[in-house]
Amino acid sequence: EDQVTQSPEALRLQEGESSSLNCSYTVSGLRGLFWYRQDPGKGPEFLFTLYSAGEEKEKERLKATLTKKESFLHITAPKPEDSATYLCAVQRGGSYIPTFGRGTSLIVHP
Amino acid sequence: NAGVTQTPKFQVLKTGQSMTLQCAQDMNHNSMYWYRQDPGMGLRLIYYSASEGTTDKGEVPNGYNVSRLNKREFSLRLESAAPSQTSVYFCASTEDRGRTEAFFGQGTRLTVV
Repeated sequence: EDQVTQSPEALRLQEGESSSLNCSYTVSGLRGLFWYRQDPGKGPEFLFTLYSAGEEKEKERLKATLTKKESFLHITAPKPEDSATYLCAVQRGGSYIPTFGRGTSLIVHP
Repeated sequence: NAGVTQTPKFQVLKTGQSMTLQCAQDMNHNSMYWYRQDPGMGLRLIYYSASEGTTDKGEVPNGYNVSRLNKREFSLRLESAAPSQTSVYFCASTEDRGRTEAFFGQGTRLTVV
């Protein structure tokens, strides 16, 4: 059974204080690992897909990395508008259905 | 460009009532999905439609039915609502079932009393 564990559950940062969110996974034959951002009362918004260990992707202050067991979402010099819940999901090879983690709630204080 | 539109946004039902959640996408996507999101549980797939004319069960299909009305529209029906179906429901679409970037609607917050 595919499993996705995100940590920490919640993270509070000061504006400009860089940190990382973790997504550890167990899946047989990874097809892809995804990161989404979800604002309160909204649907998830796609951020990145990572396909193989060693891959990295960046978008503004966000950088996602992937190893064989986990992914990190690095947030550099965060701003209050980066406050959201960040969701990680994995998709097994041969399946087109992702398994989502429970998310990390990030609050960035000004 | 609206993307994925869900209706209604909020709904309160009494136990045993039925209702249909509507979802439409204007991106010409082939695949559509229904998820529920509960506190501490993450997103769980209820049903999906890989292409027009096909539907398949996801992780938590019991108590639900779906209809892929056409390429644009994918509805979710609760025949006899139960308090355990209180949740936030999201519809999503992807270009096809092999694509990983999913576009989500704004969600329907359903309360069953």
